Amino acid sequence: QVHLVQSGAEVKKPGASVKVSCQVSGYTLTKLSIHWVRQAPGKGLEWMGGFSSEERKTIYAQEFQGRVTMTEDPSTDTSYMELTSLRSEDTAVYFCSTVFGGQRGGWFDPWGRGTLVTVSS
Amino acid sequence: SYELTQPPSVSVSPGQTASITCFGDKLGDKYACWYQQKPGQSPVLVISQDRKRPSGIPERYSASNSGNTATLTISGTQTMDEADYYCQAWDSGTVVFGGGTKLTVL
Repeated sequence: QVHLVQSGAEVKKPGASVKVSCQVSGYTLTKLSIHWVRQAPGKGLEWMGGFSSEERKTIYAQEFQGRVTMTEDPSTDTSYMELTSLRSEDTAVYFCSTVFGGQRGGWFDPWGRGTLVTVSS
Repeated sequence: SYELTQPPSVSVSPGQTASITCFGDKLGDKYACWYQQKPGQSPVLVISQDRKRPSGIPERYSASNSGNTATLTISGTQTMDEADYYCQAWDSGTVVFGGGTKLTVL
């Protein structure tokens, strides 16, 4: 049973960067595809990117290209999502999740509890 | 870019059947998934690959996907089913979520 534990809430100023972690338990990180999804207050789910098992590389949503970096540390089974040049619109809850089933019909299950990132001057 | 369109809200009386639609161009040629999200909680997978129900999800949840529309159906809706529901699909190697539908049970 995969379990995802995310890091705590962050408050950042505009222009700063934030790095959110997601630690996997119950499974080995290298055998999973971890993806990141965010949700602004009162808004819907927005996919940011994640590891593609087919392409063997990390894929990013176009909206975040150049501003987001997703990395992994297999020694601690931890995945990281770093977002730079933060602006107020980046205030959101950031979720990590595992994707099973690949890129043709994969599903997100389970999800971490989410990390609130607040961007405010 | 590919879009999935859901109605913002759906209302249903307890015990009745709720249907939530998700529209996308040739969505039936892709796999659709559905997630339930209650206030302050993380999303939970309720349907994968068009119609597969994960273990632990009640049998009253079912779904279909054909043409341009995927549909999530909740039979015998209960008050505990009140939540936001999101559809999701893959397009050209990227993930798309619908805008979400707030299901009200009253």
